[in-house]
Amino acid sequence: KQEVTQIPAALSVPEGENLVLNCSFTDSAIYNLQWFRQDPGKGLTSLLLIQSSQREQTSGRLNASLDKSSGRSTLYIAASQPGDSATYLCAVPTQGGSEKLVFGKGTKLTVNP
Amino acid sequence: KAGVTQTPRYLIKTRGQQVTLSCSPISGHRSVSWYQQTPGQGLQFLFEYFSETQRNKGNFPGRFSGRQFSNSRSEMNVSTLELGDSALYLCASSSSLQGSGANVLTFGAGSRLTVL
Repeated sequence: KQEVTQIPAALSVPEGENLVLNCSFTDSAIYNLQWFRQDPGKGLTSLLLIQSSQREQTSGRLNASLDKSSGRSTLYIAASQPGDSATYLCAVPTQGGSEKLVFGKGTKLTVNP
Repeated sequence: KAGVTQTPRYLIKTRGQQVTLSCSPISGHRSVSWYQQTPGQGLQFLFEYFSETQRNKGNFPGRFSGRQFSNSRSEMNVSTLELGDSALYLCASSSSLQGSGANVLTFGAGSRLTVL
């Protein structure tokens, strides 16, 4: 059974700092991995999707890497801003490329001005 | 283009009642999936519909059911509500076919259900 873990559960940093969020999964036979952002009381916003054949994906100040063999992914946020404050979740499909995702509990990020 | 629309956004019910939540996917998306989010369990998959057929199902009791219409809109129903059903119910739609590996899910804002 696939399990996804995110460490740390919460992180507080000063504005401008570069930071890394971690995600680990128990079954390395994944099809892809997605990172999402959730603002309080809101739905999820997809940030990046990494295919199993890829090592990393970039979007603006965000860079996500994937190491299937070790069961890990990281989300790197450069030059953090207060607007980046949110909960970040990673998720992997349970089978093939299905929409049945297993989510981590998330990392709550606070960027202080 | 319009995003995923969920209605109602907030609702309060009492134990034993039933509730129906609605989800309108992005135009052209044929897959709709539902998730339950609670502080204790996090996000858990409920079910997924594709072309009016349930394609995947999570580990929830039979009180949780859903359906999808020919226009891809979906509803989920929870009968005999329990206190533990209080949660944010999220709907997501995607355009890709299963197995393509490019299934970026677009989520709605959710329906927050409180059971008293």
